[in-house]
Amino acid sequence: AQKITQTQPGMFVQEKEAVTLDCTYDTSDPSYGLFWYKQPSSGEMIFLIYQGSYDQQNATEGRYSLNFQKARKSANLVISASQLGDSAMYFCAMRVISGGTSYGKLTFGQGTILTVHP
Amino acid sequence: AAGVIQSPRHLIKEKRETATLKCYPIPRHDTVYWYQQGPGQDPQFLISFYEKMQSDKGSIPDRFSAQQFSDYHSELNMSSLELGDSALYFCASSSNRQGKQYFGPGTRLTVT
Repeated sequence: AQKITQTQPGMFVQEKEAVTLDCTYDTSDPSYGLFWYKQPSSGEMIFLIYQGSYDQQNATEGRYSLNFQKARKSANLVISASQLGDSAMYFCAMRVISGGTSYGKLTFGQGTILTVHP
Repeated sequence: AAGVIQSPRHLIKEKRETATLKCYPIPRHDTVYWYQQGPGQDPQFLISFYEKMQSDKGSIPDRFSAQQFSDYHSELNMSSLELGDSALYFCASSSNRQGKQYFGPGTRLTVT
């Protein structure tokens, strides 16, 4: 079974500073993908960044980067230059591909609430 | 860019009633996923469809059923609603099962 763990229920950061949100995962499948989503108070689930298990380089999307450490099974999200609008719940999620068949479903962590202070 | 469309956005039903949620995936996306997010919880996978065939099933109650139609839109049918079914229901789509999943805005179902 796959498991995603986000150990930080809440994080605080000052505007314009960088923040790292932690995510560790557990799977025996060699082929998997890791996702980060942002969920503002309005409820929608916004895709931020994706990292494949065979990707050689860490993924980056604008102010978001993923610090992927395969041996440690961690996929931390780094947000640079935080903005007030970054205040939201952040979910780490994993998708595995088992036995040559791609299932695709996502398993989510418990989430981290990020609060950006002015 | 076109996004995933879900309707309705809000739905209020009484216990034992039925509800139908609709999802229109991003154009040219052939895979649809349904997730349920209870209050203060992370989303839980319910069911998925690839090329109009059910591809995987999660913790979906027997009272729920879903299908994907020829135009790739999907519907989640929920019968004999219970108070515990109150949740945010997301539909997500991807281009094949290995693509990035993009979520719709969700349907907030309240069962009274």
